[in-house]
Amino acid sequence: AQKVTQAQTEISVVEKEDVTLDCVYETRDTTYYLFWYKQPPSGELVFLIRRNSFDEQNEISGRYSWNFQKSTSSFNFTITASQVVDSAVYFCALISNFGNEKLTFGTGTRLTIIP
Amino acid sequence: DSGVTQTPKHLITATGQRVTLRCSPRSGDLSVYWYQQSLDQGLQFLIQYYNGEERAKGNILERFSAQQFPDLHSELNLSSLELGDSALYFCASSVAGGHTDTQYFGPGTRLTVL
Repeated sequence: AQKVTQAQTEISVVEKEDVTLDCVYETRDTTYYLFWYKQPPSGELVFLIRRNSFDEQNEISGRYSWNFQKSTSSFNFTITASQVVDSAVYFCALISNFGNEKLTFGTGTRLTIIP
Repeated sequence: DSGVTQTPKHLITATGQRVTLRCSPRSGDLSVYWYQQSLDQGLQFLIQYYNGEERAKGNILERFSAQQFPDLHSELNLSSLELGDSALYFCASSVAGGHTDTQYFGPGTRLTVL
């Protein structure tokens, strides 16, 4: 079975601090995709990034960066110089053939940025 | 804005009733997914349709059913509603529906069963 673990239930940081959200995954498949989604207080789920299992290059998009390490089955998300608008619940998710192609979500990390 | 639309945004109903949630996928997307988000179960995959045909089933109750119409919009029908069905129901869509696709989510329908 496939599984995604987000051990950090809630994190609070002061504005402008950097913060890293952890994600650990399990799958027997060698081909899989990892995702991060953001759920702001308004409730919608916003796609942030997709990474396939063969691409271990880190990615940076503005203040966001992602660190994918197959050796530790982790796909961590860092926000640099956090802003109040970053306050949201962040979900890590996994999809693979073995998982019958359904998206498996972690339990989410609630991030609060204190002004 | 993901391009996926869901109606209604909010729904309040009583136990035992039946409701229908509607979803329109992004233009060009053939696959539609339904998810349930509740406090105790988190985000759970319910069912997937691809071009009108059921493709994958998750933790969907027998009281729930869905379909995808020729114009590709989808409806999720929830019947004999119970208090525990109160949740946020998301629809997502993707181009082809395989595991290589990105799923884009709609704004959700918040269902409250009283």
